[in-house]
Amino acid sequence: GAVVSQHPSWVICKSGTSVKIECRSLDFQATTMFWYRQFPKQSLMLMATSNEGSKATYEQGVEKDKFLINHASLTLSTLTVTSAHPEDSSFYICSVAELGGNEQFFGPGTRLTVL
Amino acid sequence: QKEVEQNSGPLSVPEGAIASLNCTYSDRGSQSFFWYRQYSGKSPELIMFIYSNGDKEDGRFTAQLNKASQYVSLLIRDSQPSDSATYLCAVSNSGYALNFGKGTSLLVTP
Repeated sequence: GAVVSQHPSWVICKSGTSVKIECRSLDFQATTMFWYRQFPKQSLMLMATSNEGSKATYEQGVEKDKFLINHASLTLSTLTVTSAHPEDSSFYICSVAELGGNEQFFGPGTRLTVL
Repeated sequence: QKEVEQNSGPLSVPEGAIASLNCTYSDRGSQSFFWYRQYSGKSPELIMFIYSNGDKEDGRFTAQLNKASQYVSLLIRDSQPSDSATYLCAVSNSGYALNFGKGTSLLVTP
């Protein structure tokens, strides 16, 4: 399967600051990447679909102005949490899907803690 | 609301036994079904997927799909302590979007 990296693996920030999370596809070019969020003891929830060269598609209830997604290249998508608040503290995970396949392969995740 | 339901567990089985994990889904248009394993604090890793009714085997794992009953299951034979994790069922009805269940916690006791 695809190899996906995320950076940073964890981050602690103060309320009101912005945090950028990177997702990289290491072994193939991904036109589509996905961003999920997982709260403790909860399921993964799809936040948005990141499309290379175009605007991201956000799921209902996800604020596009708060969670900025940039898919600048075929191997890199970034998620910026703007003006983060404690309720944004969560495990953020990206994934990629190989062309021609339905399986998604996940990055190692980024643990965000907002104080 | 498209639901994917799993028993949260924990499901406890002795080492060497068969673990049976179940999942039901509400969207009859679902076409692809996945099982992921997630260790605490880690991201999910794909175990296997199934698209057609019936059984699909991969090593110690067998996925079973019954679209008429909207039911998918995962059997783990010869369970090992290292299989202790949360198992996530995920369903897709088109393209790539995955709808996850909350997961079943499995504990394999030595």
